[in-house]
Amino acid sequence: AQSVAQPEDQVNVAEGNPLTVKCTYSVSGNPYLFWYVQYPNRGLQFLLKYITGDNLVKGSYGFEAEFNKSQTSFHLKKPSALVSDSALYFCAVRDASSGNTGKLIFGQGTTLQVKP
Amino acid sequence: AAGVIQSPRHLIKEKRETATLKCYPIPRHDTVYWYQQGPGQDPQFLISFYEKMQSDKGSIPDRFSAQQFSDYHSELNMSSLELGDSALYFCAPCPLRGLKGPQYEQYFGPGTRLTVT
Repeated sequence: AQSVAQPEDQVNVAEGNPLTVKCTYSVSGNPYLFWYVQYPNRGLQFLLKYITGDNLVKGSYGFEAEFNKSQTSFHLKKPSALVSDSALYFCAVRDASSGNTGKLIFGQGTTLQVKP
Repeated sequence: AAGVIQSPRHLIKEKRETATLKCYPIPRHDTVYWYQQGPGQDPQFLISFYEKMQSDKGSIPDRFSAQQFSDYHSELNMSSLELGDSALYFCAPCPLRGLKGPQYEQYFGPGTRLTVT
């Protein structure tokens, strides 16, 4: 079964510091991985994806993620955090077991709190 | 995502009533997924459609049904509502057969917050 895990319920960083939000995955076959951000009472916004190619993927708002096959991880990173980055972050994997239907399986979510 | 419209944005219903949630996707997004997000939970897949045909089904109660229409808008119909149905419901269109080839990211609508009292 496909799954993702976000081991941290909350990550706290100071503004201007680098941030990392962790994600590990378990899939059969090649992983299609995604990060989404959700602000309170809002929909999920797509940040970035890894399908194939370079292990370092760059996305929206200065975020990037590093795909590590040996560690089965896809951590979200940003060199310098902003207070406005404070939100709920979800890692997701595309369920390849369902063929091309491609539903997403989400991690539990990590709340990022950036303090001034 | 810009362009994905869900209506209504908020809906309050009583137990045993019915509800219809609507999703209007970005043009040429031929696939749509529906997710349910309970309070403090991650989104859970309900059902998906590709080219107006149901393509996958998740943990969707038999009381729920959905369809995708010829203009690619989609509706989620919920009957005999229960308190536990209170959640955010998202549709997420996806251009699976996009002009530039398959795309896999899903663009979530703003959601409908359903409250069952």
